[in-house]
Amino acid sequence: GAGVSQSPSNKVTEKGKDVELRCDPISGHTALYWYRQSLGQGLEFLIYFQGNSAPDKSGLPSDRFSAERTGGSVSTLTIQRTQQEDSAVYLCASSSPGTGLRGANVLTFGAGSRLTVL
Amino acid sequence: AQTVTQSQPEMSVQEAETVTLSCTYDTSENNYYLFWYKQPPSRQMILVIRQEAYKQQNATENRFSVNFQKAAKSFSLKISDSQLGDTAMYFCAFMKQRGGWTLWGTDKLIFGTGTRLQVFP
Repeated sequence: GAGVSQSPSNKVTEKGKDVELRCDPISGHTALYWYRQSLGQGLEFLIYFQGNSAPDKSGLPSDRFSAERTGGSVSTLTIQRTQQEDSAVYLCASSSPGTGLRGANVLTFGAGSRLTVL
Repeated sequence: AQTVTQSQPEMSVQEAETVTLSCTYDTSENNYYLFWYKQPPSRQMILVIRQEAYKQQNATENRFSVNFQKAAKSFSLKISDSQLGDTAMYFCAFMKQRGGWTLWGTDKLIFGTGTRLQVFP
């Protein structure tokens, strides 16, 4: 597609339920990132996929959070047993390959998925 | 671990004036990239400008320019001739260069806490 697509754009769930957030990156982008942005705050790094390398999961806040990327394209962020503190906007981004510096490190972001846990 | 600090939570400027947003970072890396991203009320993150650490020349993009001081680990953003559409959150960000200058030489992007810029008519 023309941009990074995220769904759903809004999700309201009850505490304790599981949720799945989907990210469809720009075609051909090998790197995919997930960030969390709480109300009025900065972007908190969650996880980063690059090609066939093992993902960098160093930002996942707990074992309730997991993400996978199937076929090197679409990614799903799963939050199990949601808590109220999980309420935030979850942003996905992807970046293109390229030799050296050209384009290989510029992230294109999706519009985000706003999660509200009641 | 790398950290990015934006010490100005909020700034304001009158239309057509110039404003400078501050950013400092901490790293032991020698090769890295620095970015400024803008997030308007629409929530869409937009790249404003990018700087490669090995370049001494400051990056410019139309009305936007940076003052990159590598030794001081400072990376400020100057917006000239401010426009109402510049009203947004501005985030400074750091990415270390993984390995050499290769296809896979990217890493996670670390953001500062942001500066909210309001442009007044």
